[in-house]
Amino acid sequence: EDKVVQSPLSLVVHEGDTVTLNCSYEVTNFRSLLWYKQEKKAPTFLFMLTSSGIEKKSGRLSSILDKKELFSILNITATQTGDSAVYLCAVARGGTSYGKLTFGQGTILTVHP
Amino acid sequence: NAGVTQTPKFQVLKTGQSMTLQCAQDMNHEYMSWYRQDPGMGLRLIHYSVGAGITDQGEVPNGYNVSRSTTEDFPLRLLSAAPSQTSVYFCASSYGGATNEKLFFGSGTQLSVL
Repeated sequence: EDKVVQSPLSLVVHEGDTVTLNCSYEVTNFRSLLWYKQEKKAPTFLFMLTSSGIEKKSGRLSSILDKKELFSILNITATQTGDSAVYLCAVARGGTSYGKLTFGQGTILTVHP
Repeated sequence: NAGVTQTPKFQVLKTGQSMTLQCAQDMNHEYMSWYRQDPGMGLRLIHYSVGAGITDQGEVPNGYNVSRSTTEDFPLRLLSAAPSQTSVYFCASSYGGATNEKLFFGSGTQLSVL
């Protein structure tokens, strides 16, 4: 059974702080790991990682995957109140399991002014 | 550009009632799926479809039916609602090929079963 575990489950910081969110996984025939941001309702896509050790960046957000140790981290630097959201990690299998992701529980990030 | 459209946004049912959650996408995506989100449990896959006429079960399929008669639509049917089905339901779709894991989500349906 595929398993995705995120930590911490919740985090409260102040604007300007840097945060690191963790995601560990156990999955058969790993294909990719994805990060989503969920504000209010629909999750929105942040990153997809398939190769170990290659950092993906988008502005103040960055993520890296370690396929040997089976984990990924999502870093957010200089946090803003608009970063407050639930951050979801998901893994996808290879083969024909398109759109069939296994999600972690999510990390609730709260950024205070 | 509507993306993925779910209706209704909110629904209250009594135990034993049936209903259909609607999902439509206008991006010509091959793959569509339904997830439910419960507190502390992330999103769990209910059913998915890799194309018109093809559906398969996900992690938590019991009590739900789906069909995919067109590329655009993927309705989710609750046959006899139970309180355990109280949840937020998300429909999602994706392209095929190398980016098929990049799901586009609808805005969700909050369902309460009394």
